[in-house]
Amino acid sequence: DQQVKQNSPSLSVQEGRISILNCDYTNSMFDYFLWYKKYPAEGPTFLISISSIKDKNEDGRFTVFLNKSAKHLSLHIVPSQPGDSAVYFCAASASYGGSQGNLIFGKGTKLSVKP
Amino acid sequence: NAGVTQTPKFRVLKTGQSMTLLCAQDMNHEYMYWYRQDPGMGLRLIHYSVGEGTTAKGEVPDGYNVSRLKKQNFLLGLESAAPSQTSVYFCASSRSGTGQYTQYFGPGTRLTVL
Repeated sequence: DQQVKQNSPSLSVQEGRISILNCDYTNSMFDYFLWYKKYPAEGPTFLISISSIKDKNEDGRFTVFLNKSAKHLSLHIVPSQPGDSAVYFCAASASYGGSQGNLIFGKGTKLSVKP
Repeated sequence: NAGVTQTPKFRVLKTGQSMTLLCAQDMNHEYMYWYRQDPGMGLRLIHYSVGEGTTAKGEVPDGYNVSRLKKQNFLLGLESAAPSQTSVYFCASSRSGTGQYTQYFGPGTRLTVL
C-alpha cells in the first residue's frame, strides 16, 4: 500500500507561470517531508524540505506547503523556468516507528515547462 | 570532492550471473543506502547501512546482499541475477538518519538482465 502518493504522473506549464505539484500521504507518523528533483540519466538531488511542525517553507522560487489535517503537501515553483523541467519526487520520513527514519518516495511527477 | 560515485554506469547480465555494484562517498557520511527505480515507480529502498560494518534490510531486499567493510564504500551484490532485477540502481549517503539529514545520490547504474 502506497504511503506517499503523487497522483499526477505529469504536468505541463508555460514558462513564467506557477507550477504546483501535489503529494498525499497516509502515515500519520511522518514528521519530515522532502522534494527531490531528477533529471534524466542523473541521480535525484535534494530541493526543499519541511518539518511537520511547520506549514510552509520557502527557498527562492520554491515553496512547500504542508496541510497535516489533510495529509497533503504541495510544491509551488514561481516563476517556472524551462530548466525546471524534470521529474519531482515527494518523500517522507518518520523519526519514530518501524521505518528507522528511512525515506518513502512517491512515484514522481514529470514537470515540463514550455518556453 | 566527488560526492557519491557509482561503478559501473551500465551493465548487461545474463540470467544467473552475479555482479557487484560499488558505491563510494567522500563526505564522511555514516549512513548509506541502495535504491532501485523502475519505470513509473518511485525509489524503493533495498538495503541500508547506519555505519561501517552494519547493514539492514529495506523495503525490497530479496535477491540482494550488501556489505560495508569501509565507511566510504557500500557494495550491492546480486548472486544470481533475474530479469526482474533489471532496473536503475541508485546509491545515496547522509550524515545521519531521518529526513532532516539530506541524502545525496550518485548518478545511478543501469542494469539489464537478459
